[in-house]
Amino acid sequence: NAGVTQTPKFRVLKTGQSMTLLCAQDMNHEYMYWYRQDPGMGLRLIHYSVGEGTTAKGEVPDGYNVSRLKKQNFLLGLESAAPSQTSVYFCASSYSPGVGDYGYTFGSGTRLTVV
Amino acid sequence: AQTVTQSQPEMSVQEAETVTLSCTYDTSESDYYLFWYKQPPSRQMILVIRQEAYKQQNATENRFSVNFQKAAKSFSLKISDSQLGDAAMYFCAYRSAYGGSEKLVFGKGTKLTVNP
Repeated sequence: NAGVTQTPKFRVLKTGQSMTLLCAQDMNHEYMYWYRQDPGMGLRLIHYSVGEGTTAKGEVPDGYNVSRLKKQNFLLGLESAAPSQTSVYFCASSYSPGVGDYGYTFGSGTRLTVV
Repeated sequence: AQTVTQSQPEMSVQEAETVTLSCTYDTSESDYYLFWYKQPPSRQMILVIRQEAYKQQNATENRFSVNFQKAAKSFSLKISDSQLGDAAMYFCAYRSAYGGSEKLVFGKGTKLTVNP
């Protein structure tokens, strides 16, 4: 009953450091997403993928890269972290929209602080 | 592009009372899905209720129900018999039913406080 697993749950980075957030799902979902959540801003889409080997930009993609080499995994990379990237990051996955759409299954989030 | 608006940044309710959270959305599409998600202090996002736009009947899940007004593009959430565990951020979200529009669009959220 794992669903969507995000690692790590917490991380502190220094400005300029790099890191990768890992998202893994075991529900055979085609679609995967990375969002960031900031106070008063709701959830904003960073990047998403509609299948293995595909990625697309969301609303706030600058400063981030992603890869989906395997269907079950979606990686979010920060090449050179900036304080503006301090946020809570959520991964989510879903089936394609359509009959029986139950929206997303979310991971538990990663709190990232860039100092 | 679709937008979702939650006009109440914060709401409060007394335990055992009823509260309604507002959500409006803007779309030119006729077929879509609407969702309410709950985010308690644990940070986990939990699906509360969903509505299919082609269904006129309002969705209900135990103490949670929606008032879906398609023409007015309104999707409010009613919580009856409020409990302390209902205290959370609530997000309204929209998703197109058409291919090529795979992502959920979220409102900015309403923080609900439940007073004992």
